[in-house]
Amino acid sequence: DGGITQSPKYLFRKEGQNVTLSCEQNLNHDAMYWYRQDPGQGLRLIYYSQIVNDFQKGDIAEGYSVSREKKESFPLTVTSAQKNPTAFYLCASRDRGQGNQPQHFGDGTRLSIL
Amino acid sequence: SQELEQSPQSLIVQEGKNLTINCTSSKTLYGLYWYKQKYGEGLIFLMMLQKGGEEKSHEKITAKLDEKKQQSSLHITASQPSHAGIYLCGADSGGYQKVTFGTGTKLQVIP
Repeated sequence: DGGITQSPKYLFRKEGQNVTLSCEQNLNHDAMYWYRQDPGQGLRLIYYSQIVNDFQKGDIAEGYSVSREKKESFPLTVTSAQKNPTAFYLCASRDRGQGNQPQHFGDGTRLSIL
Repeated sequence: SQELEQSPQSLIVQEGKNLTINCTSSKTLYGLYWYKQKYGEGLIFLMMLQKGGEEKSHEKITAKLDEKKQQSSLHITASQPSHAGIYLCGADSGGYQKVTFGTGTKLQVIP
């Protein structure tokens, strides 16, 4: 079945540590996105990529980094510069075809501080 | 930047009752998406609206986009416990490169 796979489901970060969240899709979508969701809040855009080897900062990019070396993969690194990383992280992808297209979402990764 | 305001923030209804969730935009909506999320899970796509006055239905859920394309509503008829979750509206922004989301509406359905 086509879809988006995020791993791991749960992740713990120690002080001063960088951690990487994985996002893989087999939907052949060009565009991929990373969102952060805090309790009682909607989704806030961290980074997005419209094409391989290109990505743009979203609304809350500070303390995060991404890469897009393959169409299928868009990993997110939460660096030690992100002082409040505890949140639910969601990856999404969508087709860049004509007109509006809905996003497809993974099941999320919950990141906590140790 | 585009902002989406959802109301109410939370809703508790008795099984069998109807309910409506609203999503209001600060700018014209060119693509409006409704999603449902169960706690701790990803978002499930429900419906997409593009044209002013457009209305779509799926099972007991109906979504509408007003003529001015600045407000959308999601209506659930005869609610069931399976309808419980968080409903989020999202809208295309940044020249269709990004999607901005509302803050969500948490729905609880009491049997």
